Amino acid sequence: SQQGEEDPQALSIQEGENATMNCSYKTSINNLQWYRQNSGRGLVHLILIRSNEREKHSGRLRVTLDTSKKSSSLLITASRAADTASYFCATDEGNDMRFGAGTRLTVKP
Amino acid sequence: EAGVAQSPRYKIIEKRQSVAFWCNPISGHATLYWYQQILGQGPKLLIQFQNNGVVDDSQLPKDRFSAERLKGVDSTLKIQPAKLEDSAVYLCASSLDRVAYGYTFGSGTRLTVV
Repeated sequence: SQQGEEDPQALSIQEGENATMNCSYKTSINNLQWYRQNSGRGLVHLILIRSNEREKHSGRLRVTLDTSKKSSSLLITASRAADTASYFCATDEGNDMRFGAGTRLTVKP
Repeated sequence: EAGVAQSPRYKIIEKRQSVAFWCNPISGHATLYWYQQILGQGPKLLIQFQNNGVVDDSQLPKDRFSAERLKGVDSTLKIQPAKLEDSAVYLCASSLDRVAYGYTFGSGTRLTVV
């Protein structure tokens, strides 16, 4: 069964704008990870945030985690057309990771 | 470092036929996973190996799906007989340390059952 739920399901923005995607989950987690999937390809690991961390940065990516609300957000700043992809959050519950259904991001040039 | 290799990239079969997918993980990664991703959904875990032992196969439909990792390196996932609802992308992933680094995924095999 899936754990995380991403919101929105789809997002369309102009190049240069920021994109924010949210993930909510239901049970306690060890960490939460974000992945990107380009059409027809496998998933690429973007960033991992542990349950005792609140914010993490990697290049143009910023991830926040609020364990009290069981939610996380992924911010992509200064988006580019190449950022067009599906983004998935995955929650690590101890035995394996569970993925949400993803947010489909389209960045228009 | 070479990535996770999967083959074939695409496969079309008729229902009730059998099919096999192959995965070669990153060298040194003890843990290997097979995921099923139906169009529009996130990946769903089918089976997890630690070296050549099964850690979790609770979501594997064992009446038709089987998987093995005999020498603790590459792995094969088989479906026999296939059903229409098995149409999906089958993703293999490996990990050195899931908690620290997450997974590395292969490009997947897109299966179409007609």
